[in-house]
Amino acid sequence: EPEVTQTPSHQVTQMGQEVILRCVPISNHLYFYWYRQILGQKVEFLVSFYNNEISEKSEIFDDQFSVERPDGSNFTLKIRSTKLEDSAMYFCASSTVGTGSNEQFFGPGTRLTVL
Amino acid sequence: AQSVTQPDIHITVSEGASLELRCNYSYGATPYLFWYVQSPGQGLQLLLKYFSGDTLVQGIKGFEAEFKRSQSSFNLRKPSVHWSDAAEYFCAVGAYSNAGNMLTFGGGTRLMVKP
Repeated sequence: EPEVTQTPSHQVTQMGQEVILRCVPISNHLYFYWYRQILGQKVEFLVSFYNNEISEKSEIFDDQFSVERPDGSNFTLKIRSTKLEDSAMYFCASSTVGTGSNEQFFGPGTRLTVL
Repeated sequence: AQSVTQPDIHITVSEGASLELRCNYSYGATPYLFWYVQSPGQGLQLLLKYFSGDTLVQGIKGFEAEFKRSQSSFNLRKPSVHWSDAAEYFCAVGAYSNAGNMLTFGGGTRLMVKP
């Protein structure tokens, strides 16, 4: 069964460093998403991406964040200068259609720890 | 703006007992509602979803949920819990947008199953 994969599973970085989190969505999906979950808190929407551009983003997704689909398979989230409060589990998801009637398939997540 | 509330942070039930996890939502139009389950170290797996029609929806693993518009609720139920159901459960509401559907999650309910 096709699945969303994410690498690395755990990333440790120093405050101020840049990190890139990688995701491989399901191959025939067209919509891609990033969510995050700070420990003990809700899963929060960050950004959605379609046709090589951001379609929607939350207020969390500020100038420190960027997303890219550098090739036909990967979807990345970059944090330019990490802060302590960026420590969280980051989930990638993908879907075939961008309406609410379709399931978003989630990856296992990348745990980011900022020291 | 949409929101989801899961009033129970933790629930413990005995194996074989029935289960109901509560979910209340706030949304300005007809909601698209979802229940996801997260096992330790895993991503979010869709249990079931509601868009329209029959207000009682069936999902995987023997789960069902009932949409009650008058109560703004979408409670998850299972008649007989198995030890493997121990996990965290998230209710979510989907917002329609032109491209890319963001999900708004509740805080989650952690289910523990006693032997």
